[in-house]
Amino acid sequence: DTAVSQTPKYLVTQMGNDKSIKCEQNLGHDTMYWYKQDSKKFLKIMFSYNNKELIINETVPNRFSPKSPDKAHLNLHINSLELGDSAVYFCASSQSPYEQYFGPGTRLTVT
Amino acid sequence: AQTVTQSQPEMSVQEAETVTLSCTYDTSESDYYLFWYKQPPSRQMILVIRQEAYKQQNATENRFSVNFQKAAKSFSLKISDSQLGDAAMYFCAYGRAGTASKLTFGTGTRLQVTL
Repeated sequence: DTAVSQTPKYLVTQMGNDKSIKCEQNLGHDTMYWYKQDSKKFLKIMFSYNNKELIINETVPNRFSPKSPDKAHLNLHINSLELGDSAVYFCASSQSPYEQYFGPGTRLTVT
Repeated sequence: AQTVTQSQPEMSVQEAETVTLSCTYDTSESDYYLFWYKQPPSRQMILVIRQEAYKQQNATENRFSVNFQKAAKSFSLKISDSQLGDAAMYFCAYGRAGTASKLTFGTGTRLQVTL
């Protein structure tokens, strides 16, 4: 009965490749988010969708493109991966404005 | 812009003792939420406690309680009767009230629990 799930949990790829991370929530929440946690554990918002509409788009390279096919899903596609993209990516959901529930994270390693 | 500051990169507490983790924030908003999240080595982000800014009463969840000082913009977390399973990174987070509000996180405090 996982509330927020992400696939894959680990992703190792080479520079220049394109990859996607998928996220699904079964909590019935309206809002979903992508956060990036860097090597120093700092968490920063990347994107937020509310009812499939992009609400927040922080200063993120346009190689990163989120897509929300429906309220329960939010995917993250990354083009032309770079070494600096290595991080843990967390998906989260909330019934705004309350607490956010996080997925298990996807550790992306770019070699 | 909102900022969240956790001035203690690391803390240590003995099992069964009490420890307080500090957090300060900066905002010009009057309506907002504050959270403490725990991240154990499994890396899962787990909500520990939530405080609404409009509530004067400090939130409590079992062994976890907060000291919310709105005027001072301070939001500390007290863990009583510390257990080995409390060892983790603890993040303070700020969320502005409103639809799809992002969370702004502090840099985290790593808590060690010793026997």
